[in-house]
Amino acid sequence: EAGVVQSPRYKIIEKKQPVAFWCNPISGHNTLYWYLQNLGQGPELLIRYENEEAVDDSQLPKDRFSAERLKGVDSTLKIQPAELGDSAVYLCASSFSYNEQFFGPGTRLTVL
Amino acid sequence: QKEVEQDPGPLSVPEGAIVSLNCTYSNSAFQYFMWYRQYSRKGPELLMYTYSSGNKEDGRFTAQVDKSSKYISLFIRDSQPSDSATYLCAMSGGNQFYFGTGTSLTVIP
Repeated sequence: EAGVVQSPRYKIIEKKQPVAFWCNPISGHNTLYWYLQNLGQGPELLIRYENEEAVDDSQLPKDRFSAERLKGVDSTLKIQPAELGDSAVYLCASSFSYNEQFFGPGTRLTVL
Repeated sequence: QKEVEQDPGPLSVPEGAIVSLNCTYSNSAFQYFMWYRQYSRKGPELLMYTYSSGNKEDGRFTAQVDKSSKYISLFIRDSQPSDSATYLCAMSGGNQFYFGTGTSLTVIP
């Protein structure tokens, strides 16, 4: 069974540019999560979807970050415009059960 | 005060040693306790998942939860170089989910 797929794996952009990350969850997993992970830190939840609905986006900086999960499968996370402090690893996870999350490899973003 | 506290290490042990990794927490609502392993440049991978207090064993790994002390542990027996990774504790309850900061472990051959 394929795991969580994320692309791109690495992205380097200049500040103020837009960037988008894509995630394809494990088939059958209704819940999808986007996390941000800084070096030496644990993942921090940005947004959680149940099917198409964003049920927890309280930690998403909505002035520059947006996300969508059309049709309740794939999801895209966008940053516009990117800032230097956005450099981090962006992780996507999916689950059938809230407590058993499966993570993708992450997208490592560098903002110059 | 952070919801979950975890010593970041780094921890370095010789091959074959018993490793003890720990987390403390403050939120009494947490009912589910997880341990994830994260290799460099990879996503976290779920290792163990326990509900409420008690022990759970899976091969060389044992997870312990002491809710009265708000303290959880992961023990690795007969540690191997392939166990070298960052270990993250995670907890959930009351629709909240938090990760610890992770402990970096190196097992030296």
